Order: sequence, then C-alpha cells, then structure tokens
Amino acid sequence: AQSVSQHNHHVILSEAASLELGCNYSYGGTVNLFWYVQYPGQHLQLLLKYFSGDPLVKGIKGFEAEFIKSKFSFNLRKPSVQWSDTAEYFCAVNGIPPRNKLSFGAGTTVTVRA
Amino acid sequence: GAVVSQHPSRVICKSGTSVKIECRSLDFQATTMFWYRQFPKQSLMLMATSNEGSKATYEQGVEKDKFLINHASLTLSTLTVTSAHPEDSSFYICSASPLLVQETQYFGPGTRLLVL
Repeated sequence: AQSVSQHNHHVILSEAASLELGCNYSYGGTVNLFWYVQYPGQHLQLLLKYFSGDPLVKGIKGFEAEFIKSKFSFNLRKPSVQWSDTAEYFCAVNGIPPRNKLSFGAGTTVTVRA
Repeated sequence: GAVVSQHPSRVICKSGTSVKIECRSLDFQATTMFWYRQFPKQSLMLMATSNEGSKATYEQGVEKDKFLINHASLTLSTLTVTSAHPEDSSFYICSASPLLVQETQYFGPGTRLLVL
C-alpha cells in the first residue's frame, strides 16, 4: 500500500514570508506526485504535478516543488506568500495500479496574515 | 479546460430517502471518475473508482449497495446514496481523469449532503 504524510497540520505566517510544506510518501515503485490546493469554499485545484524529468517542478501562482527520490519527499515551496494563499494544501501520490488512483495526505491548513 | 461539474451543490433530504449526485466532465472525456468523501477539516477519502461501461470498484469499508455508482458515458458518472441516514451527511467530491492524461485527476466543486 502507498501512504502520504504531511508534516504540518496548520501553518500560520505573515505576508511575504516564505512557505515550505513537507510531504513524504511510502512506496518503492515509480510514482506520480501532486499538490492540490483548496481555497475556502472552493474545490480542489491542481497546483503542480511531477511525472518524470526535472525534479524541480514549477506550478501555478508562484509555487514550486522538489522531488527528492532518496528521501521519498515532494515538498512544496513559495518564496513569498500572499494573503490570498490562505487555503488547505494536499499532497497526493499515485503509483500502484490502477495508476490513476490517488492517495492523499491529511492536508495542511495555511493561514497567511496580512 | 479540464472542468468538472457536480449537481446539486447542496441537498437536504429526509432520512430514508435516496439522493442522486451527478458528476460531469464538461470539456473532456473521462474513462475513469472517482468519488470521494471529505469530512470537516480532514482529507479526502476515496470511496470508489468508476470506469465507463463497467462496474465500479469500491474501497474497503464502503457499502456498494448503499452508494450506487453508474458511469454511463465518458462524461457522466452518478452517485446515488440510497436510504440515506444522518451519518451519511458529508461533502461528496468527484474527480475525472482525461483519456489522454489518466494519471491526473480534475476535481468537481463537491456536493454538500445533509440528511435530517
């Protein structure tokens, strides 16, 4: 079985601060990795994804994530957050067949204070 | 592109009745759609995987006779909560995987179900 763990349950920071959210997964095979964001009252949106190639992935809204295979990690980063980044962030992985079946982390609530 | 809609967005029903929720991929075809349940402040729990033209695959612990899934076309899947009880009250979310990018899922806005 595959599992995903997100280290932080709730992160509070000020505007312009840097953000890093941890994500680790447990699965020894080839994986696809995703970060989704859920803004208050809205549906999940895909922030970025990694399938193969350059392990540093750029996503929307200035987010990026780095896949480190040796650490089974896929941490999300943003150099300077804005108030509008307040949301719930979910890391997700698919790997074992069926390959499009996603396993989600528990989510991290990010609150950005103006 | 890659828009998924759900209808209704909110539904309130009496205990014992059945509720149908629709999930549509608006601008792409999806061989596979997924149904999730999300409890407050928690992550998404996969309920079942729905493949067009075949029976759904349910996750362990999910009652297939209670949560009926039909995936009649490449753009529509339905979830029917039969004989709903208050404990079925939840946020139900569907997602769809495009034919050409099956590893990626696009999510619908969710349906808030309240069973009285």
